[in-house]
Amino acid sequence: DQQVKQNSPSLSVQEGRISILNCDYTNSMFDYFLWYKKYPAEGPTFLISISSIKDKNEDGRFTVFLNKSAKHLSLHIVPSQPGDSAVYFCAASALTGTASKLTFGTGTRLQVTL
Amino acid sequence: GAVVSQHPSWVICKSGTSVKIECRSLDFQATTMFWYRQFPKQSLMLMATSNEGSKATYEQGVEKDKFLINHASLTLSTLTVTSAHPEDSSFYICSAGKSYEETQYFGPGTRLLVL
Repeated sequence: DQQVKQNSPSLSVQEGRISILNCDYTNSMFDYFLWYKKYPAEGPTFLISISSIKDKNEDGRFTVFLNKSAKHLSLHIVPSQPGDSAVYFCAASALTGTASKLTFGTGTRLQVTL
Repeated sequence: GAVVSQHPSWVICKSGTSVKIECRSLDFQATTMFWYRQFPKQSLMLMATSNEGSKATYEQGVEKDKFLINHASLTLSTLTVTSAHPEDSSFYICSAGKSYEETQYFGPGTRLLVL
């Protein structure tokens, strides 16, 4: 039962254009969503997050949008740069006690071409 | 900052031996750390939640006697893969979060190869 889904395994975008990565979830108990960037053989690097009480959060070139009614979130990267090429994971959490367990999507491999 | 380290980054061992992986939060205290496993081209799968001073909580399907977790201090958790077999070969990643914060910070991972 995949509670967090990233339906696009890969995405190719030209440098300077917008990259849009999508994520869907099924568990309405999730109250926080995060995006991580990951290179092969490295741990994920935190990019940006959003609380379920918000619908948008922006940090530099990265913006995350949340549509709670559709149980959908997206990460926009603009302008895209070659260094953005990596695998992007969407993650969701439901705070339990003092720690939150993260449920990860399957990842989307972004390739930014020159 | 929120830096998490793992040691070793690479380990190759013979089948039947045990391997210990350390996870440290370098600039913050973590009452809870998490251990994940990632197979090639797959997502990160949570194995267990490591709680300082108490027993770890294992996810369904993860053998607690095979994957021993010890969280002896607020900055250190260890994962021991006991009697490792080739099917245990994988990429193991730990993460830590600050109390009452949702964001988890990940270590660089440990690649285990069991021959």
